[in-house]
Amino acid sequence: DTAVSQTPKYLVTQMGNDKSIKCEQNLGHDTMYWYKQDSKKFLKIMFSYNNKELIINETVPNRFSPKSPDKAHLNLHINSLELGDSAVYFCASSPDPTPYGYTFGSGTRLTVV
Amino acid sequence: AQKITQTQPGMFVQEKEAVTLDCTYDTSDPSYGLFWYKQPSSGEMIFLIYQGSYDQQNATEGRYSLNFQKARKSANLVISASQLGDSAMYFCAIYSGAGSYQLTFGKGTKLSVIP
Repeated sequence: DTAVSQTPKYLVTQMGNDKSIKCEQNLGHDTMYWYKQDSKKFLKIMFSYNNKELIINETVPNRFSPKSPDKAHLNLHINSLELGDSAVYFCASSPDPTPYGYTFGSGTRLTVV
Repeated sequence: AQKITQTQPGMFVQEKEAVTLDCTYDTSDPSYGLFWYKQPSSGEMIFLIYQGSYDQQNATEGRYSLNFQKARKSANLVISASQLGDSAMYFCAIYSGAGSYQLTFGKGTKLSVIP
């Protein structure tokens, strides 16, 4: 059983397209996140949801919109994709209030051409 | 705000030797947690070890131990008896702030184990 699963694993798309990445966790965690890992391997938080409510919204272009239909799912929708959006996107989840059990998905490699 | 500094972009170690990966942190919160993650070439983030700011003893998990020096704000990862499979990127991360569970990562250290 995959604890935090992301789909798709790879995504190649043209500039200007709109795409979504899905994330689901079966750990019963209350908080979910999106992180972006750039070409230099630097990982940075983008968004965080706690029980379907947005709690962290870092400085990210508003072309990126997270959506959490329930606490087990956090999807990332990206409009008008740009070359600079190429990166690996990681979903993660954590239980509250302890940081134990912070778990990452396997990542989605997005390539914009 | 919190910050993690990893000053070693790359490290080499001979197989079966021990290696220390450096990590220093900065936070104004008295309560925080420090994590180390391994990212092999396959890309997934693998949790290695966790140290809480109030933990009295250094954390250990198998061949991994965390050398936690609170006064110096350092949380170095020690890998004993290195194996070829330890070749990977290693990230130090900090979590701090009540109600905020985001992790702030360092830039990582690429470890290469030489046979």
